[in-house]
Amino acid sequence: EPEVTQTPSHQVTQMGQEVILRCVPISNHLYFYWYRQILGQKVEFLVSFYNNEISEKSEIFDDQFSVERPDGSNFTLKIRSTKLEDSAMYFCASSKGQDYGRDTGELFFGEGSRLTVL
Amino acid sequence: AQKITQTQPGMFVQEKEAVTLDCTYDTSDPSYGLFWYKQPSSGEMIFLIYQGSYDQQNATEGRYSLNFQKARKSANLVISASQLGDSAMYFCAMREGSTGGSYIPTFGRGTSLIVHP
Repeated sequence: EPEVTQTPSHQVTQMGQEVILRCVPISNHLYFYWYRQILGQKVEFLVSFYNNEISEKSEIFDDQFSVERPDGSNFTLKIRSTKLEDSAMYFCASSKGQDYGRDTGELFFGEGSRLTVL
Repeated sequence: AQKITQTQPGMFVQEKEAVTLDCTYDTSDPSYGLFWYKQPSSGEMIFLIYQGSYDQQNATEGRYSLNFQKARKSANLVISASQLGDSAMYFCAMREGSTGGSYIPTFGRGTSLIVHP
């Protein structure tokens, strides 16, 4: 069964360093998302991506963050200068579409990338 | 304002018993979708069940069913015949679907379920 894959599963970095988290969404999906989950807390939306551009972003997704789809299969989240509070599990997700009535809009999640900022 | 509220931070159930996990939501959009996800200790998010706002019947998927009470804006998850492997965090989420609404699913804070042998 197709699945969303994420790398790395765990990354430890020093504060101020750049981090790139990688995701391979399900191949026929059109919408891509990044969510994060600080330990023991709720799952928070960061950004959605469609047709090679950001379609929506939350207030968390500030100038420190960027996303791109460099080669038609990978979907990356870059954090330019990590802060301690960026430590979290980052989830990539994809969905077929967002047209209500034709598709539930179910998100398929990857297994997450745990980022630890020291 | 909270769009999804899960009031039970933790729940306990005996193996083979049924358990209900509560979820209430807030939206003025007539068109929306409700989801439940399971997050075991390994961390991945597993889709369980979906209910559309216009669906006439409550959704069911195996041992999972969704008790959808539209007037009360509640979408409780019922797990029948609990198994030890059901021990996990459970998240309720909502996606609004009309023009002007966000298609982005918003998650509740989750309920931790522990199944006792």
